[in-house]
Amino acid sequence: KAGVTQTPRYLIKTRGQQVTLSCSPISGHRSVSWYQQTPGQGLQFLFEYFSETQRNKGNFPGRFSGRQFSNSRSEMNVSTLELGDSALYLCASSLTDYNEQFFGPGTRLTVL
Amino acid sequence: AQSVAQPEDQVNVAEGNPLTVKCTYSVSGNPYLFWYVQYPNRGLQFLLKYITGDNLVKGSYGFEAEFNKSQTSFHLKKPSALVSDSALYFCAVRDDFYGGSQGNLIFGKGTKLSVKP
Repeated sequence: KAGVTQTPRYLIKTRGQQVTLSCSPISGHRSVSWYQQTPGQGLQFLFEYFSETQRNKGNFPGRFSGRQFSNSRSEMNVSTLELGDSALYLCASSLTDYNEQFFGPGTRLTVL
Repeated sequence: AQSVAQPEDQVNVAEGNPLTVKCTYSVSGNPYLFWYVQYPNRGLQFLLKYITGDNLVKGSYGFEAEFNKSQTSFHLKKPSALVSDSALYFCAVRDDFYGGSQGNLIFGKGTKLSVKP
């Protein structure tokens, strides 16, 4: 069974630009979560989607948004990029809330 | 509100010795507890989980964890450490008080495990 895939793996953008990251969950998984990982703040929860509905949202500004499609694939978008948005963005999928999350390799975003 | 704490930023262990990585949590309902490991420049890998049942949970790569409700702890252990166990370890908790539609997974800040030969 294929794991969680994330594209692209690396991105370099400049301040003020916008970026879209993509995540394909494990087949059959309907829950997709996104996290931001930085050395200073650790792993911070961004949002969780289940069957195309956003169920939970972390404490991030409105510049961060996401969506989930009918095939469970998910995208997250960051508009008006700031230097502080440089981070590893991780996507994870799971069958249900009671099951473990399986993580993708992440997208390393660098904002210059 | 739910929270999880990993009191040690780093744990140093000699190869062959037992290791313990500590985790304590706070939830309103019953906890779903998880341990993950992260190798450099990689995503997180699931090690083990506690949902209900036996307090001693066995997981991947010889790791185990003990759920202690009275101490609200879920420490990760391994009887004999390997150099290849050196990595960043994360404890995570989901609170069932909020039900499946509201609670999200909260991660600790991580503990760097260093195993020396």
